[in-house]
Amino acid sequence: GNSVTQMEGPVTLSEEAFLTINCTYTATGYPSLFWYVQYPGEGLQLLLKATKADDKGSNKGFEATYRKETTSFHLEKGSVQVSDSAVYFCALGHLRDDKIIFGKGTRLHILP
Amino acid sequence: DTEVTQTPKHLVMGMTNKKSLKCEQHMGHRAMYWYKQKAKKPPELMFVYSYEKLSINESVPSRFSPECPNSSLLNLHLHALQPEDSALYLCASSQDPGSSSSGNTIYFGEGSWLTVV
Repeated sequence: GNSVTQMEGPVTLSEEAFLTINCTYTATGYPSLFWYVQYPGEGLQLLLKATKADDKGSNKGFEATYRKETTSFHLEKGSVQVSDSAVYFCALGHLRDDKIIFGKGTRLHILP
Repeated sequence: DTEVTQTPKHLVMGMTNKKSLKCEQHMGHRAMYWYKQKAKKPPELMFVYSYEKLSINESVPSRFSPECPNSSLLNLHLHALQPEDSALYLCASSQDPGSSSSGNTIYFGEGSWLTVV
């Protein structure tokens, strides 16, 4: 079946550090891949997405590239800020399917 | 604009109460969803409405009753809940079920924090 695995948190970094949050997936066919972010006390916001292999999604300085050969969609940011502290969810969705599948989430703490 | 609006933001209810959560979107999306999220966990799918018809019920107890009055509105009626039902309830929508152009991107509201006492 379809599944998403992302690195366990919490991840604690200093401001301006480089961020990588790993995400790998198992799926049949050609899924779309997403990163959602949840700030404390809020709902989920779509951060970025990629719908086919080799696509790069980007937003707010975050990037992730859809790698079919390694079944990965790692989230990266070159210089994190305190305001990036949140929980990040990797997710997978299929065309013609109303469901998306979430990873367990990675809590990120950025220290000033 | 990718806005999904949920009310109320916070709700406290007793186990014998009847209450409702409401959700609205004006993006012309044809699929709407209810998710439940417990602390430090990912969202869990409860229901999906596609073109105003219930298409997915993830074996949710009958004390949760969804309703889709029209393509812009989604309600979740609550009755005889248990304290373990306390959670963040998230509404979401997507443009067109099965659309290849959108990649089936799902947009979430801010959620309704429910406490059952």
